[in-house]
Amino acid sequence: NAGVMQNPRHLVRRRGQEARLRCSPMKGHSHVYWYRQLPEEGLKFMVYLQKENIIDESGMPKERFSAEFPKEGPSILRIQQVVRGDSAAYFCASSETGRATQYFGPGTRLLVL
Amino acid sequence: GQQLNQSPQSMFIQEGEDVSMNCTSSSIFNTWLWYKQDPGEGPVLLIALYKAGELTSNGRLTAQFGITRKDSFLNISASIPSDVGIYFCAGSGTYKYIFGTGTRLKVLA
Repeated sequence: NAGVMQNPRHLVRRRGQEARLRCSPMKGHSHVYWYRQLPEEGLKFMVYLQKENIIDESGMPKERFSAEFPKEGPSILRIQQVVRGDSAAYFCASSETGRATQYFGPGTRLLVL
Repeated sequence: GQQLNQSPQSMFIQEGEDVSMNCTSSSIFNTWLWYKQDPGEGPVLLIALYKAGELTSNGRLTAQFGITRKDSFLNISASIPSDVGIYFCAGSGTYKYIFGTGTRLKVLA
């Protein structure tokens, strides 16, 4: 029973490029959450999605960031025109229902040069 | 906005000692979760608490959901070297979890 999968595990981008982070939830989970973690800090909520719907994107910057969870395939967190301040670990979590326990993937560590 | 204070921020302990850490919130939560994160990995769920006053164990770990619903603690008994890592509390009123800043545990053999 595979857990939450994220890829890539590490991603290096130059300023101005686009970053695409993928998350496949646990089998049977239709709720996905994205969090961001800076070094020495806790995780900060970014966005909550169900299949084909964004439920809450209150933690996501209004510009350059977008997220989707299509009917088929993984959830994607997309960062356009990356800047150095976007360097962080991005974690995806999934749950069976909106109020159920969230299980985390291994994260994608983004480094912007 | 909601805030979580987690303490201590870090601790060094001798192998075999018991460890205690806690989280306090500025508002009421319906769920408390405790996670452990190893370097380069994602958080792994240790214990989930869903009711005020609930006391739950998972091996050497015990966690409690405070009766005010604004705090929770985690105890680790008889620590071993593999307990090293960062422990996070997370609280939620609905689906959005607020994370503490973590307790960094280092165990001296």
